[in-house]
Amino acid sequence: DIQMTQSPSSLSASVGDRVTITCRASQSISSYLNWYHQKPGKAPKLLIYSASSLQSGVPSRFSGSGSGTDFTLTISSLQPEDFATYYCQQSYSIPSFGQGTKVEIK
Amino acid sequence: EVQLVESGGGLVQPGGSLRLSCEASGFTFSSYWMHWVRHAPGKGLVWVSRIDTDGSSTNYADSVKGRFTISRDNAKNTLYLQMNSLRAEDTAVYYCARNLGYNYGYPFDYWGQGALVTVSS
Repeated sequence: DIQMTQSPSSLSASVGDRVTITCRASQSISSYLNWYHQKPGKAPKLLIYSASSLQSGVPSRFSGSGSGTDFTLTISSLQPEDFATYYCQQSYSIPSFGQGTKVEIK
Repeated sequence: EVQLVESGGGLVQPGGSLRLSCEASGFTFSSYWMHWVRHAPGKGLVWVSRIDTDGSSTNYADSVKGRFTISRDNAKNTLYLQMNSLRAEDTAVYYCARNLGYNYGYPFDYWGQGALVTVSS
């Protein structure tokens, strides 16, 4: 099974900040890496697929990069609606998620 | 509009059984792989199970293998998760999710609203 490790587990940031979350796979997954965010009591929402492709309707302040084992999600200017928990997920084989990164208001 | 609506959640005693349903609409259900993902209180998302387009191939997380069964009825546009021998650690919100394509390599592009399963005596 492929293990996904995110860092940090949580972070505090202000509106307008640039935020970066990293995700590492236990083996190469090419570009089969997706990012979601989830707000309390809500279903997860797809943000980025195939490491760097922006899902339709998602604001352009979200971007993704990486390939192989190391990946990054960047929010260029954090907005109030972006405070949530972010998960990476590999779709290279049997799916698995990272443990999540909680983005909180500073 | 794509919609996934789960039902069947509730309170069940340890060792009991429950069947979740996920009714799909707004797309050709029979053309997509489908998944179940769960979110336990205070924990992260965990993939549970996957089924291919005609139900002939399935996979399960080790934690539920032998206890849970995923199935689908394409005529009814409905996905199921039969959960037996339930344990306290199965307590979670269970989501059905659509695989964007019919193979690995695709993300989960649509999710249901979730069904809460509580296992407690």
